[in-house]
Amino acid sequence: GENVEQHPSTLSVQEGDSAVIKCTYSDSASNYFPWYKQELGKGPQLIIDIRSNVGEKKDQRIAVTLNKTAKHFSLHITETQPEDSAVYFCAASYYGGATNKLIFGTGTLLAVQP
Amino acid sequence: AAGVIQSPRHLIKEKRETATLKCYPIPRHDTVYWYQQGPGQDPQFLISFYEKMQSDKGSIPDRFSAQQFSDYHSELNMSSLELGDSALYFCASSSGMGKETQYFGPGTRLLVL
Repeated sequence: GENVEQHPSTLSVQEGDSAVIKCTYSDSASNYFPWYKQELGKGPQLIIDIRSNVGEKKDQRIAVTLNKTAKHFSLHITETQPEDSAVYFCAASYYGGATNKLIFGTGTLLAVQP
Repeated sequence: AAGVIQSPRHLIKEKRETATLKCYPIPRHDTVYWYQQGPGQDPQFLISFYEKMQSDKGSIPDRFSAQQFSDYHSELNMSSLELGDSALYFCASSSGMGKETQYFGPGTRLLVL
């Protein structure tokens, strides 16, 4: 079955620096890759997603890149702020039918030091 | 904007008891997903429903069952609870354009003593 690896498991940066989180997926049929931010005690919040027909997508300080050949995708956060501190999960799914389950990576705890 | 609603938010049960978790999807969303998240773990897919029919099944124990009702809300029924069932249970919903996009609820924290 599909497996998603995520690195690093923890990441500490200074406020204003950039943060990069990387994921690798195993199922070449996967065509949808969302990123979720989860704060303590809360549900995952979608922050950005990318579909397999796109190589890069940007939304203000957040960007995601996808390399289908290598089956890699990455989250880039620029100008980090303390409120960016949270656990970030990447996920992969195959969207092709009535539903699509998300396979999550193991998460990255991002700490932004003021 | 309306979000996914889950109830209860917290639940404490004894071993071997039963629990029912409820999920109310975003209005006009026709697909509901259930995920289980253990402490320090990533969410694991349990089961999903599309238009009131089960559409996919993951690592859901036989002790658990779920259904989606005519108003699209869903309930996860858990019987013979075990200590290992203690976790956060999330519901997500999706529909329409960008159907693959799943929006998560705040979760139900279940503690089995």
